[in-house]
Amino acid sequence: EVQLVESGGGLVQPGGSLRLSCAASGFTFSSYSMNWVRQAPGKGLEWVSYISSSSSTIYYADSVKGRFTISRDNAKNSLYLQMNSLRDEDTAVYYCVLANWGSPFDYWGQGTLVTVSS
Amino acid sequence: EIVLTQSPGTLSLSPGERATLSCRASQSVRSSYLAWYQQKPGQAPRLLIYGASSRATGIPDRFSGSGSGTDFTLTISRLEPEDFAVYYCQHYGSSPTFGQGTKVEIK
Repeated sequence: EVQLVESGGGLVQPGGSLRLSCAASGFTFSSYSMNWVRQAPGKGLEWVSYISSSSSTIYYADSVKGRFTISRDNAKNSLYLQMNSLRDEDTAVYYCVLANWGSPFDYWGQGTLVTVSS
Repeated sequence: EIVLTQSPGTLSLSPGERATLSCRASQSVRSSYLAWYQQKPGQAPRLLIYGASSRATGIPDRFSGSGSGTDFTLTISRLEPEDFAVYYCQHYGSSPTFGQGTKVEIK
């Protein structure tokens, strides 16, 4: 059974940094691309970033480009999102999602809440 | 970037009724890249439909998707109590985007 478990969320001040992690199990992590998707409180879904299985291809939404960095460690079956220069509008639940580029988002984690506030 | 507009914003229906949800794209979408998701409060979204009309694994056949070009529809033939939720359409081609969602609530 595919399991994706996010961690690392919390309260951070504007301009601060946070690193999210996603622990994957139940599938061959090194063979699949991964994504981060976020959802602001009471709002819709926004795709944030994508990383290919070998980390050779990475994409970001314009809203986070230059501030967020996606990475993965296939030996540890883990996905990461380093978030810098955080803004109020980055407040959201962040989901780790298993999906190749050009494929539907099959599997989602339960999400971790990031709150940016002074 | 393809902008997806869903309508209506809220649909008030009774169990057993038919629900018809619309998703309109700002430019033509290849059908193979259109999906629908269901989200219940406090839960992650769940994939219902992909490729505009293919049901994901384990999804009941009361859920169906149709459409092409810029107009797509999710139909729930007979609403069950567990179907009351928010539904999102998604384009999952280059630069994935989501619609703003349609809430299906109990009338």
